[in-house]
Amino acid sequence: EADIYQTPRYLVIGTGKKITLECSQTMGHDKMYWYQQDPGMELHLIHYSYGVNSTEKGDLSSESTVSRIRTEHFPLTLESARPSHTSQYLCASSETETQYFGPGTRLLVL
Amino acid sequence: KNQVEQSPQSLIILEGKNCTLQCNYTVSPFSNLRWYKQDTGRGPVSLTIMTFSENTKSNGRYTATLDADTKQSSLHITASQLSDSASYICVVSDRGSTLGRLYFGRGTQLTVWP
Repeated sequence: EADIYQTPRYLVIGTGKKITLECSQTMGHDKMYWYQQDPGMELHLIHYSYGVNSTEKGDLSSESTVSRIRTEHFPLTLESARPSHTSQYLCASSETETQYFGPGTRLLVL
Repeated sequence: KNQVEQSPQSLIILEGKNCTLQCNYTVSPFSNLRWYKQDTGRGPVSLTIMTFSENTKSNGRYTATLDADTKQSSLHITASQLSDSASYICVVSDRGSTLGRLYFGRGTQLTVWP
């Protein structure tokens, strides 16, 4: 079944650690996105990609980086996690207008 | 500044009752407006999408309306169920870029009580 997956779903990690949030989709979509969402707040676009080897920064400045080596895979990396990175991270993909979201990763940096 | 404002911020209703959620936007130019449902701890799921020429669209018990002149939209939920408890997010897309940039509201947190 075509879907979009994110792992891990929950992550608690200490300050200074390097982390990678995984996102994979089986729908063959070219466009993929990473959003950051704090409780009760709107989603903010932090990265997007039009396709393989294409990555762009979104509206919200982020210390994270992304890569798009394969169509189905769009991982997000934080080289050195800080408490200010604590948030929910949502991955999405689209072919036309509608974006399909993954279940999200809730990150807590102590 | 392009913005999407939703009201109320939160709403509690009893199971079986109807409710209406509001969305006002200042996004220009305008391409389309979507309503998403986001369950706690999950990603948003699309309910409806309306373009400039559409003023109403239904998806089961969910009916969305759009007034492009006043830049207002509403989402009406009929005969609410416990599973309707979620955050409902209004999202407006502009035509200003090839990406079709999305502007997100903060959502209305709906709680349905038995």
